Amino acid sequence: QLVLTQSPSASASLGASVKLTCTLSSGHSSYAIAWHQQQPEKGPRYLMKLNSDGSHSKGDGIPDRFSGSSSGAERYLTISSLQSEDEADYYCQTWGTGIVFGGGTKLTVL
Amino acid sequence: EVQLVESGGGLVKPGGSLRLSCAASGFTFSSYSMNWVRQAPGKGLEWVSSISSSSSYIYYADSVKGRFTISRDNAKNSLYLQMNSLRAEDTAVYYCARDLGIAVADDAFDIWGQGTMVTVSS
Repeated sequence: QLVLTQSPSASASLGASVKLTCTLSSGHSSYAIAWHQQQPEKGPRYLMKLNSDGSHSKGDGIPDRFSGSSSGAERYLTISSLQSEDEADYYCQTWGTGIVFGGGTKLTVL
Repeated sequence: EVQLVESGGGLVKPGGSLRLSCAASGFTFSSYSMNWVRQAPGKGLEWVSSISSSSSYIYYADSVKGRFTISRDNAKNSLYLQMNSLRAEDTAVYYCARDLGIAVADDAFDIWGQGTMVTVSS
């Protein structure tokens, strides 16, 4: 069964970097994913599509501070030079046997 | 500007019906597969349904199969979700979203609307 696992919460200081993780279930380590950001009281916003080899393509207007990488079944979203507006929920999404979302990670900027 | 705007949400009693709409603009709507995703209060995102560009392929989550119907009108640049036999657990914000790729439900969602709230309560 295709499942995405995310840590419920993460925190980092203003100006620092943070790395969020999305883990694909066993047998699905070759799958691509997408990262989405959801700021409070807003709809989700597409950040990037991330392939198993770490290559990624970002959505329009997404700052260079956002980057993606991969290792095995893990897909990462790194946000550098954290700003207050980065405080949001981050969801990963994949596809192949239906559409699947991870449970989301709530990022707090200290 | 590429945009999706949902409408049609509201308060409905259990067992009732509601029809959501999603108006697309700024892109060639007829070329893209489209989707509905919902988010219950305080919860994460849940995929609901997908439809291919020509309506040839349609998929539903098990939780709504047999109760919800997705459709589209390419002449009107609009996506719809007909929701029947509504239950309390259908209470959520409903978002429409565009597929990045050509195949239905087989790629990232790259454009999202702002959502419309559906509350099912007596």
